Amino acid sequence: EAGVTQSPTHLIKTRGQQVTLRCSPISGHTSVYWYQQALGLGLQFLLWYDEGEERNRGNFPPRFSGRQFPNYSSELNVNALELEDSALYLCASRLTSRTGELFFGEGSRLTVL
Amino acid sequence: GQQVMQIPQYQHVQEGEDFTTYCNSSTTLSNIQWYKQRPGGHPVFLIQLVKSGEVKKQKRLTFQFGEAKKNSSLHITATQTTDVGTYFCGVGTGRRALTFGSGTRLQVQP
Repeated sequence: EAGVTQSPTHLIKTRGQQVTLRCSPISGHTSVYWYQQALGLGLQFLLWYDEGEERNRGNFPPRFSGRQFPNYSSELNVNALELEDSALYLCASRLTSRTGELFFGEGSRLTVL
Repeated sequence: GQQVMQIPQYQHVQEGEDFTTYCNSSTTLSNIQWYKQRPGGHPVFLIQLVKSGEVKKQKRLTFQFGEAKKNSSLHITATQTTDVGTYFCGVGTGRRALTFGSGTRLQVQP
């Protein structure tokens, strides 16, 4: 069974640009989480989607947004990139919205120059 | 989401020594999860604790959930170099997203 897949794995952008990151959850998982992990730091919660709806949002500015599609895959969009957006963006999926382990993807490493 | 404080931030031990990381919350938790992230890797689920006072063991790892369900610990007996990584606790259920403590980075000296 395929795990959580994310694309692209690495990308380089310049300040002010926009980026879209993609995530495909494990088959049958309806809940998708996005986290930001700056180098050497912890996991900062960004967004949580379940059954196509945004359930929770972390303490990030509105230029961080996303959506979940009917097939439960998800996108994370970041507009007007800033240098401090450089980080590993991790997507995780879960079978249900309420409990159970999170399965993480390998992440998308974003560098903003 | 719910907030948890995790300590220590970093620990360096000699191989064979024990290691413990703690997560503390000001509010009662319905459950707590633990994850391990190897250097350059992604977090991997270790365990979920639900019951007050629960203790679970996985080989050399012992997980505890406090009686008041406000704290938890992960203890590793006789560390090995394969234990190197960052250990995170995670909390959040129902309508609350799963958020993580700041993590404890473990370095094991051979």
